[in-house]
Amino acid sequence: NAGVTQTPKFQVLKTGQSMTLQCAQDMNHEYMSWYRQDPGMGLRLIHYSVGAGITDQGEVPNGYNVSRSTTEDFPLRLLSAAPSQTSVYFCASSLRSEADTQYFGPGTRLTVL
Amino acid sequence: GQQVMQIPQYQHVQEGEDFTTYCNSSTTLSNIQWYKQRPGGHPVFLIQLVKSGEVKKQKRLTFQFGEAKKNSSLHITATQTTDVGTYFCAGPRGNNRLAFGKGNQVVVIP
Repeated sequence: NAGVTQTPKFQVLKTGQSMTLQCAQDMNHEYMSWYRQDPGMGLRLIHYSVGAGITDQGEVPNGYNVSRSTTEDFPLRLLSAAPSQTSVYFCASSLRSEADTQYFGPGTRLTVL
Repeated sequence: GQQVMQIPQYQHVQEGEDFTTYCNSSTTLSNIQWYKQRPGGHPVFLIQLVKSGEVKKQKRLTFQFGEAKKNSSLHITATQTTDVGTYFCAGPRGNNRLAFGKGNQVVVIP
């Protein structure tokens, strides 16, 4: 099993550009989530999904969209990138819910100029 | 805002010494999870505590869950350079969400 994979590893965008961060897992996990990590702020939940076709907002959802068309994939879309979205983004998955062990991907380091 | 608080936020620990990091919640938690993130890496699951007053050990690491299930601690003995990193606690906060603390960044002084 590859576990949780994320692409790209690094990305530089200009303000106003859009892009999609990819996340995939091969563990047949139902629960998937996106976090952003900023210095001194810990991990903050952006969006999460409890299963295919179901998504919901976390604590910092503004400027981001998600979809979950399959169990395996959970892409994160930045609609119009802003410098405040410069961060490290982690995707995570778990078997059923937020109460289960979370498996994190390697992260995407995003810089918005 | 976050409902799980960690103290201290930073620690410098001499190699060979012991240290403790604490996690406090404003509400009762169904369980508490601990993760470790090495510099430049991603969070990796360490352990989950579920029962009131539970104590679990992993070699030099001892994890405790408070009687009221509102606080937890991680105690590391005989610190090694491999213990460097950021330790996070996390607890379910309802509505399918997991809340992480801000982490305790540990620097080990050789």
